[in-house]
Amino acid sequence: EAQVTQNPRYLITVTGKKLTVTCSQNMNHEYMSWYRQDPGLGLRQIYYSMNVEVTDKGDVPEGYKVSRKEKRNFPLILESPSPNQTSLYFCASRWTSGSTTDTQYFGPGTRLTVL
Amino acid sequence: RKEVEQDPGPFNVPEGATVAFNCTYSNSASQSFFWYRQDCRKEPKLLMSVYSSGNEDGRFTAQLNRASQYISLLIRDSKLSDSATYLCVVNNPNDYKLSFGAGTTVTVRA
Repeated sequence: EAQVTQNPRYLITVTGKKLTVTCSQNMNHEYMSWYRQDPGLGLRQIYYSMNVEVTDKGDVPEGYKVSRKEKRNFPLILESPSPNQTSLYFCASRWTSGSTTDTQYFGPGTRLTVL
Repeated sequence: RKEVEQDPGPFNVPEGATVAFNCTYSNSASQSFFWYRQDCRKEPKLLMSVYSSGNEDGRFTAQLNRASQYISLLIRDSKLSDSATYLCVVNNPNDYKLSFGAGTTVTVRA
């Protein structure tokens, strides 16, 4: 079954405590992204990766890091989380042809609360 | 100006009604357009792609108007299960980035 998995699904942490949210896809997609979703603001891209070892900033990259050492994995790292990073996070993957037939698959989401 | 703008709604309609809503996009070079559906804080899922000539998938019809830079979604014979937030998505041609609208909420009541 084609899927994107994320872990953990729920996380409550404290300011400054480093955390990593893992993301893995089994579709051999080149393109992977991280988004955060906040009420009224929609999905905003944090970082994306076009392929292994190729990552770039999205619209809201401050306070986040990513890495792409393997094609299937794209972890999101918060080195020093702050309360304004409390949000719902989605990982996603897709092909990069840009065609109308490309479907972007999303992981189930990680609900993060930073106290 | 936001890249993709949607009327947030909510659109509150009875079962069996028709509901339609639009979204506008700012980048005239955009090539690919999609509607995604999102249920209460779950992951978005592709509802349908939007083709230049317009397309239909069962009770759902999507239209693209390039001149005015908007796309629309029409839902006929609404079901309770159509209650969701509908996200308008536009693919920017240069960097494969998908831009998402904030979503239009539809509630279908019995």
